[in-house]
Amino acid sequence: AQSVTQLGSHVSVSEGALVLLRCNYSSSVPPYLFWYVQYPNQGLQLLLKYTSAATLVKGINGFEAEFKKSETSFHLTKPSAHMSDAAEYFCAVSTAGGTSYGKLTFGQGTILTVHP
Amino acid sequence: NAGVMQNPRHLVRRRGQEARLRCSPMKGHSHVYWYRQLPEEGLKFMVYLQKENIIDESGMPKERFSAEFPKEGPSILRIQQVVRGDSAAYFCASSPPGGAVTEAFFGQGTRLTVV
Repeated sequence: AQSVTQLGSHVSVSEGALVLLRCNYSSSVPPYLFWYVQYPNQGLQLLLKYTSAATLVKGINGFEAEFKKSETSFHLTKPSAHMSDAAEYFCAVSTAGGTSYGKLTFGQGTILTVHP
Repeated sequence: NAGVMQNPRHLVRRRGQEARLRCSPMKGHSHVYWYRQLPEEGLKFMVYLQKENIIDESGMPKERFSAEFPKEGPSILRIQQVVRGDSAAYFCASSPPGGAVTEAFFGQGTRLTVV
């Protein structure tokens, strides 16, 4: 079984400040990890993904995340927040192979607010 | 991703009616996943289909819900005799042959409201 915990349902930062969204996962096998962004009344857009290659993953819009196996974490960061980053962010985990192939398990989501 | 088309975008049904949600995968994709997002919650997996086959339906409620992905045409998620608790956003994702979740793209979702 696999699970994802996103610490903090709401995060608020000032424009230009560091963004840090926390994600911890649980998986019995090596995981694939994802961060998605959802704008109001929109679908999910993939920000970045970890698939057992480099542990530091760079994504779109200046976001990056680091896979830390020892901490079972995959936190999302961005050095400088922009107003357009305000959205809801979801961390997700999956495993390859078997019937879980293609099945994503999502965290509860973190709503990011950016203040001017 | 605009390549996965879901319709309708918004659907209002009265209690007891049927809801039919459609998902057309991206061109070349043969695997479809359905997820449900209840208010204030993350997405929950419902079902994984290939053309004419249900691969994994472990997330589907046992009653009233069904899904299909015919040889021709879109994937359909059908909810019979809807209840207020079915109100949610339903998202479809598709991936290429092989079902690689790392290459999955999501549609814009169908927001179902049961009144």
